[in-house]
Amino acid sequence: EADIYQTPRYLVIGTGKKITLECSQTMGHDKMYWYQQDPGMELHLIHYSYGVNSTEKGDLSSESTVSRIRTEHFPLTLESARPSHTSQYLCASSGVLETQYFGPGTRLLVL
Amino acid sequence: QKEVEQDPGPLSVPEGAIVSLNCTYSNSAFQYFMWYRQYSRKGPELLMYTYSSGNKEDGRFTAQVDKSSKYISLFIRDSQPSDSATYLCAMSPSGSARQLTFGSGTQLTVLP
Repeated sequence: EADIYQTPRYLVIGTGKKITLECSQTMGHDKMYWYQQDPGMELHLIHYSYGVNSTEKGDLSSESTVSRIRTEHFPLTLESARPSHTSQYLCASSGVLETQYFGPGTRLLVL
Repeated sequence: QKEVEQDPGPLSVPEGAIVSLNCTYSNSAFQYFMWYRQYSRKGPELLMYTYSSGNKEDGRFTAQVDKSSKYISLFIRDSQPSDSATYLCAMSPSGSARQLTFGSGTQLTVLP
């Protein structure tokens, strides 16, 4: 079973607050990803990383930023949350075989 | 037009029915095809992974790819209430997870 964790699972926060969504995996995977998913819509890749100190923006433009200081940890930060950031954020990782394992997601609501 | 089209449903079937879930796509470069299952309030989990055209079977699940028609299907035999979830197709021109394009998902409910 895949071991990838996300916290918090749910977050309700006011406009203008800084937030960090945590993602950790214990599988030693080099590649990690952040997706945004609105209800009934596709997953859109917003960030990915191929290893420590490597981060790239995905296909969907996002105001969030990410960092990869440790292999197992890939946090996502929003400096100033807005209602338009309300969504579900899914973290995933993959190893040599490129099969992605997803975390349970964080549901973010910005008031 | 989206690269990957998937009927959103919802699809409701009785327990024991055969379920057919489908996706069409427009990018002829897609070579790798996947089906994910996503339970409510959970992340997607990989069900089936196929390369190029043909069938692949795993228990009650069969994945079918027809590249000439740009059409993929997932069949579920003897469906169970525990199969109730949203099913997402995904595809990639290479094996790279970085280049995955997802469908929007089909919501399936299997009624006991």
